[in-house]
Amino acid sequence: AQSVTQPDIHITVSEGASLELRCNYSYGATPYLFWYVQSPGQGLQLLLKYFSGDTLVQGIKGFEAEFKRSQSSFNLRKPSVHWSDAAEYFCAVSTGNNAGNMLTFGGGTRLMVKP
Amino acid sequence: EAGVAQSPRYKIIEKRQSVAFWCNPISGHATLYWYQQILGQGPKLLIQFQNNGVVDDSQLPKDRFSAERLKGVDSTLKIQPAKLEDSAVYLCASSPGQGANTEAFFGQGTRLTVV
Repeated sequence: AQSVTQPDIHITVSEGASLELRCNYSYGATPYLFWYVQSPGQGLQLLLKYFSGDTLVQGIKGFEAEFKRSQSSFNLRKPSVHWSDAAEYFCAVSTGNNAGNMLTFGGGTRLMVKP
Repeated sequence: EAGVAQSPRYKIIEKRQSVAFWCNPISGHATLYWYQQILGQGPKLLIQFQNNGVVDDSQLPKDRFSAERLKGVDSTLKIQPAKLEDSAVYLCASSPGQGANTEAFFGQGTRLTVV
């Protein structure tokens, strides 16, 4: 069975600093990988996804992630964090089927941004 | 385009009572998912529908949880009887249902508190 580990439960960065959120997955086949963001009281919003091809994927809000098969990782990065980026971030792996994606989520990383 | 609609937003019930949640997916989306998100954890898939059929319900606790999507559009998730450990946010998501290379769009969720 697939699983996702996000080692950092909380991260605090200063506004304008760079950010990297870690994600490790366990999955026997080629994974479909996702990063979602969840603001308080809101649903999940997709930041970016990796299905195949270029291992560096660009997403919305200036985020990017790099797929490293050898390390079973899919870390999320942003060069300069804004106060509005404070939220909870979830990495997910999918077992795709003809109907869509059944997502297995990690436990999440809560990002706090210092002014 | 309207997003995924869920109601109610909040619900408080006593243990052993029953409760139902409603979800209306994005128009035209064939695939609908229900996820359970316990506080401090990532969402966990409960059930996936394609149109009015169940694709996967292996993680649905069928002794107390049931879900239906009779006309292949909106869906209800029911818990009967509720337990304290069912306190969570119940997220509904939908996707076009045209294979794994698709994005799931999430609703804002229903926060259930069982006392």
